[in-house]
Amino acid sequence: NAGVMQNPRHLVRRRGQEARLRCSPMKGHSHVYWYRQLPEEGLKFMVYLQKENIIDESGMPKERFSAEFPKEGPSILRIQQVVRGDSAAYFCASSPRNPAGELFFGEGSRLTVL
Amino acid sequence: EDKVVQSPLSLVVHEGDTVTLNCSYEVTNFRSLLWYKQEKKAPTFLFMLTSSGIEKKSGRLSSILDKKELFSILNITATQTGDSAVYLCAVDGSGGSNYKLTFGKGTLLTVNP
Repeated sequence: NAGVMQNPRHLVRRRGQEARLRCSPMKGHSHVYWYRQLPEEGLKFMVYLQKENIIDESGMPKERFSAEFPKEGPSILRIQQVVRGDSAAYFCASSPRNPAGELFFGEGSRLTVL
Repeated sequence: EDKVVQSPLSLVVHEGDTVTLNCSYEVTNFRSLLWYKQEKKAPTFLFMLTSSGIEKKSGRLSSILDKKELFSILNITATQTGDSAVYLCAVDGSGGSNYKLTFGKGTLLTVNP
């Protein structure tokens, strides 16, 4: 049973470019969560999605960031016009239901903005 | 804003030692506290604690929660090199959904042979 799959594992972008991070939840899981870990900080909740729905985006920056979880395919976290402060590890987690109980995390995508 | 503070930030021990990791929190709508282990990869779930004074145990790891004093400890006995990892403490302040977790910065544990 494959775990939560994230790609790319490492992504380098120049300021102003776009970054797209993908997350495939565990088989049977329909709830996806994105977290961000800035350098020297703990993981912080960004957004919670179910298929085709954003349930809670209270942790998302107001501008440049968006997330989706289409009917088919992985969840995507999109960052437009990246800035150096976006450099971080972005973790995706999934669960089979909500209340989630245990969250199953992916290995993360590390974004570096030059 | 919810806050989770872990101590120590890092710890180096020898195999066989016993370690205690600390986690204190300030949360307005506490529901549960969770411990995760992160070994340079995905954080993996260890424990979820909701009630004070009830120890959760898994092999050499155990954890307990004190809701009055707002802290939790994670104990690891007879440490092994495979226990080397970052241990993350998180609290659910979202009223029970367990997805909107606030994490501490973690404790980096290094176990030397």
